[in-house]
Amino acid sequence: QVRLRESGPGLLKPSETLSLTCTVSGGSVSSGNYYWSWIRQPPGKGLEWITHVYYSGSTNYNPALKSRVTFSLDMSKNQFSLRLSSVTAADTAVYYCARGAAAAAALGAFDIWGLGTMVTVSS
Amino acid sequence: QSVLTQPPSASGTPGQRVIISCSGSSSNIGRNIVNWYQQLPGTAPKLLMYSDNQRPSGVPDRFSGSKSGTSASLAISGLQSEDEADYYCAAWDDSLNGPVFGGGTQLAVL
Repeated sequence: QVRLRESGPGLLKPSETLSLTCTVSGGSVSSGNYYWSWIRQPPGKGLEWITHVYYSGSTNYNPALKSRVTFSLDMSKNQFSLRLSSVTAADTAVYYCARGAAAAAALGAFDIWGLGTMVTVSS
Repeated sequence: QSVLTQPPSASGTPGQRVIISCSGSSSNIGRNIVNWYQQLPGTAPKLLMYSDNQRPSGVPDRFSGSKSGTSASLAISGLQSEDEADYYCAAWDDSLNGPVFGGGTQLAVL
């Protein structure tokens, strides 16, 4: 059974860089027809897709965040990571990593989610 | 401002049927499948429906989905108290080359 677990600091100051890692267990980031994704949810608000990498290595970013986001995939550690630079209070959210289907029949369906990690940006 | 539009709230009494709508555009719902998620308080979203009307294993058949043009809907029949949650629609957006979500609908079971 594939499981995802997010890790990273819970509190940042404005202008700092957020670094989060998602560890995949029970499966491999290099196998299958999947997108490995980061999604966030500000308190009391909806879901926002941030970025994803296709299992082949190609990456896409939400244009609203693209200039500040870096995505990396470490197949040897079975992990993928997110870096978000120059954070502000608007980046305060629960950050989820998730596995999304790339097959046309279920395109973008996120069938496995991590528990989420709360990130607060405050001075 | 979410790309897909959902009503912020919905409600029903136990046993009733409730429908949650989701409106998009030609670059997302109009061209691609719709997926639905259920989020219980304090938990991660759970895939409830994929490919417009397919239920993952374990999802009761009280839940059903449909799509027409650039709109989709999720129907919940035989409403139960455990259905009280936030529901999100989502679809791949060809302009974004990534998924877009609705703002979520908070369902209350009265």
